Amino acid sequence: QKEVEQNSGPLSVPEGAIASLNCTYSDRGSQSFFWYRQYSGKSPELIMSIYSNGDKEDGRFTAQLNKASQYVSLLIRDSQPSDSATYLCAVIPPNSGYSTLTFGKGTMLLVSP
Amino acid sequence: KAGVTQTPRYLIKTRGQQVTLSCSPISGHRSVSWYQQTPGQGLQFLFEYFSETQRNKGNFPGRFSGRQFSNSRSEMNVSTLELGDSALYLCASTGTGRGETQYFGPGTRLLVL
Repeated sequence: QKEVEQNSGPLSVPEGAIASLNCTYSDRGSQSFFWYRQYSGKSPELIMSIYSNGDKEDGRFTAQLNKASQYVSLLIRDSQPSDSATYLCAVIPPNSGYSTLTFGKGTMLLVSP
Repeated sequence: KAGVTQTPRYLIKTRGQQVTLSCSPISGHRSVSWYQQTPGQGLQFLFEYFSETQRNKGNFPGRFSGRQFSNSRSEMNVSTLELGDSALYLCASTGTGRGETQYFGPGTRLLVL
């Protein structure tokens, strides 16, 4: 069973702090990793994609990938109340189609003013 | 470019009925994936269509089916509805390259009574 695990939260951080969201995956051969943000009642929107070990930065967001540990994380610097949402980690398992995502159940992030 | 559109946005059905949901992908995208999202199971992959052919399929019963038309629009059908089919049904369209971003539509919220 291919699985993606996330802490359901909620993760509560004050405004301006760094929020750290974590995800582990079971299928070692997975190659493509994504973080989506989903506001309540809305559909997921892509924040970051990462394919190689290491860090990838985009504005206030940094994705980190460690394939040896089968671990993906998302750091949000200078967290804002508007960042309050559920963050979904998604993986494309090996031998799956390019458009087949396996999602974790998401971590709810709450940023307090 | 217009985004992914889904119709209808909301639907109420009773057990035993069938339902058809529609998805129009982003212009130029030929891959359409369908997902079911429930509070208990999270986002789960249903199937993917590419060039009118089902390319990948998730672990759902045969009551869930789909098709894709020559203009890349896709429909999914659920027959003999069960209470547990109540969910948000999301479709996502993807470009043709490896690792291409999946863009989600707004979803159809189905309630089965």
